[in-house]
Amino acid sequence: EPEVTQTPSHQVTQMGQEVILRCVPISNHLYFYWYRQILGQKVEFLVSFYNNEISEKSEIFDDQFSVERPDGSNFTLKIRSTKLEDSAMYFCASSEEGENEQFFGPGTRLTVL
Amino acid sequence: AQSVTQLGSHVSVSEGALVLLRCNYSSSVPPYLFWYVQYPNQGLQLLLKYTTGATLVKGINGFEAEFKKSETSFHLTKPSAHMSDAAEYFCAVSGISGGYNKLIFGAGTRLAVHP
Repeated sequence: EPEVTQTPSHQVTQMGQEVILRCVPISNHLYFYWYRQILGQKVEFLVSFYNNEISEKSEIFDDQFSVERPDGSNFTLKIRSTKLEDSAMYFCASSEEGENEQFFGPGTRLTVL
Repeated sequence: AQSVTQLGSHVSVSEGALVLLRCNYSSSVPPYLFWYVQYPNQGLQLLLKYTTGATLVKGINGFEAEFKKSETSFHLTKPSAHMSDAAEYFCAVSGISGGYNKLIFGAGTRLAVHP
């Protein structure tokens, strides 16, 4: 069964460092998303991406964040200069054209020290 | 704007008992509603969804939910809890807003099942 994969499963970084979280969406999906879940809190939408551009972003998704689809399979989230409050689980999701169901990856736990 | 409220951050039931997890939503457009389950150290797995049509929807693992527009609710039920149902459950709403269906999640309900 096709699934969304994410690497790494856990990333530890120092405050101020850049991190790139990677996702491989399901191959025939066209819509891509990033969400985050701070420990003990709800899952929050960050950004959606379609046709090689951002379609919607939340207030959380400020200038420190960027997304990219560098090739036909990967979808990345970059945080340019990490802050302590960026520590969270980051989930990638994808969906098909015309479908509401989003398929989630297992997440990357980011720890900023 | 859309929002989701899940009543009860923790629910504990006995094995074999009815499971009822509550979800109320707010949406200015016809909502699409979802329940996701998250097992420890895993991602989010879709249990069931309501888009249009029949208001009682059945999902995986014996769960079902009923969309009640008049009550703006989408409660999740299972007649008989199993130990393996212990997990965190998230209700989510999306709608045709800007053409892209971001999910708005509730805070989650942690279900504990005891023998």
